[in-house]
Amino acid sequence: GQNIDQPTEMTATEGAIVQINCTYQTSGFNGLFWYQQHAGEAPTFLSYNVLDGLEEKGRFSSFLSRSKGYSYLLLKELQMKDSASYLCAATDSNYQLIWGAGTKLIIKP
Amino acid sequence: DGGITQSPKYLFRKEGQNVTLSCEQNLNHDAMYWYRQDPGQGLRLIYYSQIVNDFQKGDIAEGYSVSREKKESFPLTVTSAQKNPTAFYLCASSPGTSGGYYEQYFGPGTRLTVT
Repeated sequence: GQNIDQPTEMTATEGAIVQINCTYQTSGFNGLFWYQQHAGEAPTFLSYNVLDGLEEKGRFSSFLSRSKGYSYLLLKELQMKDSASYLCAATDSNYQLIWGAGTKLIIKP
Repeated sequence: DGGITQSPKYLFRKEGQNVTLSCEQNLNHDAMYWYRQDPGQGLRLIYYSQIVNDFQKGDIAEGYSVSREKKESFPLTVTSAQKNPTAFYLCASSPGTSGGYYEQYFGPGTRLTVT
């Protein structure tokens, strides 16, 4: 079956670095997305990886290892506004997104 | 401003009533999607449409219906046959669905409560 696993909740301190992991099993693979979702709001796009390696975009970076079915989202210099859920989604062979349940990130001062 | 609109933001209905959630986009996207989000679960696909007058069932289509008469609009009807309709409903669109990378853009969502 198709499955996405990510931790349910993480806590970090303002100004620190946090890494949110995601493992996936899909029938075929056409890339992995990370989205940010604040409570009660719509998800917003953060990153897309289809090749192995690290993609950096400002304070946020995303890594993919296709052979291991693994990705992580790295958030640096954490700010209070980064408190949100982070959703991992893998694209299967039909180009449909398979979504993880999301990781709720709590930032403490 | 281009984007996706969903209305209303909050909707309350009595059990046994059908209800229609609206979704409109002015991004000129071909593909549109409806998801349901429940606490502690990932987004689950209800229906999607790749082109006008065509749509496909997602993983949890039972108790829902859609139409795609115009490129801009993809309304979702939650029927009385849906056993647990209370949820947060998200509409999304993307330029396409195949051939590579297509980010999905989401509307603000409609929170439906059925009592």
